[in-house]
Amino acid sequence: AQSVTQLDSQVPVFEEAPVELRCNYSSSVSVYLFWYVQYPNQGLQLLLKYLSGSTLVESINGFEAEFNKSQTSFHLRKPSVHISDTAEYFCAVRARAGGTSYGKLTFGQGTILTVHP
Amino acid sequence: EAGVAQSPRYKIIEKRQSVAFWCNPISGHATLYWYQQILGQGPKLLIQFQNNGVVDDSQLPKDRFSAERLKGVDSTLKIQPAKLEDSAVYLCASSLVSAGGGGELFFGEGSRLTVL
Repeated sequence: AQSVTQLDSQVPVFEEAPVELRCNYSSSVSVYLFWYVQYPNQGLQLLLKYLSGSTLVESINGFEAEFNKSQTSFHLRKPSVHISDTAEYFCAVRARAGGTSYGKLTFGQGTILTVHP
Repeated sequence: EAGVAQSPRYKIIEKRQSVAFWCNPISGHATLYWYQQILGQGPKLLIQFQNNGVVDDSQLPKDRFSAERLKGVDSTLKIQPAKLEDSAVYLCASSLVSAGGGGELFFGEGSRLTVL
């Protein structure tokens, strides 16, 4: 089984400041890693994912996350946040599976990022 | 492309009553998921369908929760009888079947249930 721990439930920052949302996971097998974002009054949507290859992955709106296998972490970072980044961010993990089978997607508790002007 | 549709968006019931939620996934998506999201917690998988077959329902409280996806398209999640602790947002998601498990889940806006 897999588990995900998001170390901060709330992160307040000022606009244009850098931010890091922390995520650690536990799994006895190799995993895929995801960050989903939920803007106010909207459904969850995929922000970025790590499947294989380069351990640094980026989103189209300037976020990046780095897979660190030794520390079992997948922290999300952005060098300069905007007001529009205010949302709840969820880290998620899924066990790697062969063929066309899907393992369960397990979510962390979420981190509410609030960007102040 | 239309997204995942869910209804109703909000529902208030008293304990011991029943409630049903409906989900229509994105066209062509064979895999459908129901998640429960309690306030302050991350989403928890209740049940996963592949076409109209159940892949995982290990965390579904089967004494009160049931779900079906009869024609492999839309799905209904029912709670009967409801308890106070069932107050949550019920999220439906769908995805394409693809190798490796790295596929994206597309979520609906959720159905918020309040049990009084």
